[in-house]
Amino acid sequence: AQSVTQPDIHITVSEGASLELRCNYSYGATPYLFWYVQSPGQGLQLLLKYFSGDTLVQGIKGFEAEFKRSQSSFNLRKPSVHWSDAAEYFCAVGSPSGGYNKLIFGAGTRLAVHP
Amino acid sequence: DTEVTQTPKHLVMGMTNKKSLKCEQHMGHRAMYWYKQKAKKPPELMFVYSYEKLSINESVPSRFSPECPNSSLLNLHLHALQPEDSALYLCASSPLDRGSYNEQFFGPGTRLTVL
Repeated sequence: AQSVTQPDIHITVSEGASLELRCNYSYGATPYLFWYVQSPGQGLQLLLKYFSGDTLVQGIKGFEAEFKRSQSSFNLRKPSVHWSDAAEYFCAVGSPSGGYNKLIFGAGTRLAVHP
Repeated sequence: DTEVTQTPKHLVMGMTNKKSLKCEQHMGHRAMYWYKQKAKKPPELMFVYSYEKLSINESVPSRFSPECPNSSLLNLHLHALQPEDSALYLCASSPLDRGSYNEQFFGPGTRLTVL
């Protein structure tokens, strides 16, 4: 069965520091992988996605992620965090079925940013 | 127009009430989704509609009744809910291109409180 693990429930970084959020997945075929961000009480916004090609993908807001098949990982990175990046981050794997993707989410990582 | 709208933003209802949540998109997407999200948890898929037909029902109790009257609209009818049904209800939509990656676009959600 497909699953997504985000090992870090809560991470705190200082503004301007670098960030890496971890994501490991379990999926039989080539996965569709996503990172979403959610501010409190809001919907989810897609940061970036991977489904084939270059394993280093660039997203919005200065985020990037690297797909490593050998490690079943899709870690999210940002070189310099801004206070506005404080939010909940969800990694997800998409299970294609009849044209739509059934998304399986990890438990999420809550990011706090110190000034 | 690249957004999914949801009304109302907030809803408070008693256990004997009947209410409805509404979701709308004008991106021409033919797949629409309802998710339930409890506090500090990832979204959980409830229903998927493709071409206005129910494709997935994730064993959701019958007190939740989805409806897709046309390709732009998705409703969730609520009746005889329990306090544990209090949550953020998210709607999403995506294209329906077989064999392609299909990104889901999320609405801002409806915050439901059942008294």
